[in-house]
This record gives sequence, structure tokens and C-alpha cells, in this order.
Amino acid sequence: QITLKESGPTLVKPTQTLTLTCTFSGFSLSTSGVGVGWIRQPPGKALEWLALIYWDDDKRYSPSLKSRLTITKDTSKNQVVLTMTNMDPVDTATYYCAHSWDYYDSSGYYSNAFDIWGQGTMVTVSS
Amino acid sequence: QSVLTQPPSVSAAPGQKVTISCSGSSSNIGNNYVSWYQQLPGTAPKLLIYENNKRPSGIPDRFSGSKSGTSATLGITGLQTGDEADYYCGTWDSSLSAPHYVFGTGTKVTVL
Repeated sequence: QITLKESGPTLVKPTQTLTLTCTFSGFSLSTSGVGVGWIRQPPGKALEWLALIYWDDDKRYSPSLKSRLTITKDTSKNQVVLTMTNMDPVDTATYYCAHSWDYYDSSGYYSNAFDIWGQGTMVTVSS
Repeated sequence: QSVLTQPPSVSAAPGQKVTISCSGSSSNIGNNYVSWYQQLPGTAPKLLIYENNKRPSGIPDRFSGSKSGTSATLGITGLQTGDEADYYCGTWDSSLSAPHYVFGTGTKVTVL
């Protein structure tokens, strides 16, 4: 059974750096075709994808936030860490991590989706 | 702003059918698989459809997905009160400097 859980501060001040940890079980991030992504959702608004790290340490970032984001993995601890610098009140949101797969199917199309999600952690940015 | 456009809301009576559209472009839906996610009130999203029309284990066949060109559609038949939720499409986008994932603007389904 795959589970993921986000942890980190609930309140950060503007300009500070946010560090979130996703601790997971039921899979290994050293297994081919596995990834973990981060997605956030401001109160009452839509989902926004942030970043994804693959089993081979390849990384993808949201173009609009790339300069502020860093995603890393610790395979031995079954953890993925997301850091976001220069936090602003508009970054107030629930932050989710999610398990994903990635492979190219027989037609050559890239298949990837977020199939198992953590419960999310609410982060408020305020002075 | 999301590059995938969905209607803000759709509604129907119990037992009826609703469809939710997701409009994109050749850089995203046109050349990539589409997924759909259901988010019940106060909960994390759940994968409903992947690779345009496949359902993960445990998802009832009342939920269906399709794709044509640069648009995708989620259909829900036999609507139930438990289907009241926000629904999001998602796919990869190859525009800009590097591939990145994008979600739709979201659609709220109301059961009348």
C-alpha cells in the first residue's frame, strides 16, 4: 500500500524559505519508472503543479516558479524535499505531494499521472 | 493562469449525465495523454482517469474519458450526490523551456 505524508511549517514569514518534506512508504524512489511530485492549491483556487523528481534524479519544475524551487530526494529515508525561496502571501496554499509513474507506451506516448496523493499540508505566509 | 480551460461549473439531477470539457493546444493535450482528478470537499485529489480513457482500479465505469485533437472530455453517468466535487484535467506541456505538467482551471459538479 502506497502512502505519502507532507510535513513542514504551517506558518512562514514573507521572504523566508519554505522547506517541505514528503515521507512515503510502499514504494522506492530508486525503482525505474517512479516519481514524486509536488502540487499546491491556494484556498478556493485550482491545483497548481510545482515540481517532479524521477527515480533517476531527473527533475522538472514549473516554469513560472523554477527560480524559487528545488526538489531533492533521499532514497534511504524514503523522502522528497521541496524548498521554495522568497515566500510571499500569495504562496499561501495547501501543498500536496503525490506518487507518479513514468514510461513510454508501445505507441511512443509518454505516460505519467499522479495516482496516490498525500493528505496535504496548509502553509500560511504572513508576517 | 492555466493553459487548460474548463467550464467553472456543471450540474444535473441524480441519475443524469454530465460532461466536462478541457480545452488546450497542440503543445499539451494535442500531443500528450490527459488525466482527470476528482477532489471531494476538504480532501486531496484522486486520480479518476489516466491515458485519456483508462480507469484506475476501483473507479466505477460511470466515469469515462475521451480526447479529440486539443480537447478532452470527462463524462459521468448515473450521477450521484457523492459525485459532487471539483474535477481537474491534467497533462504535460512542451511549450516554454522545458516540459512541465499543467492542471485545468477546474470544474465544480453540482447534483441538483
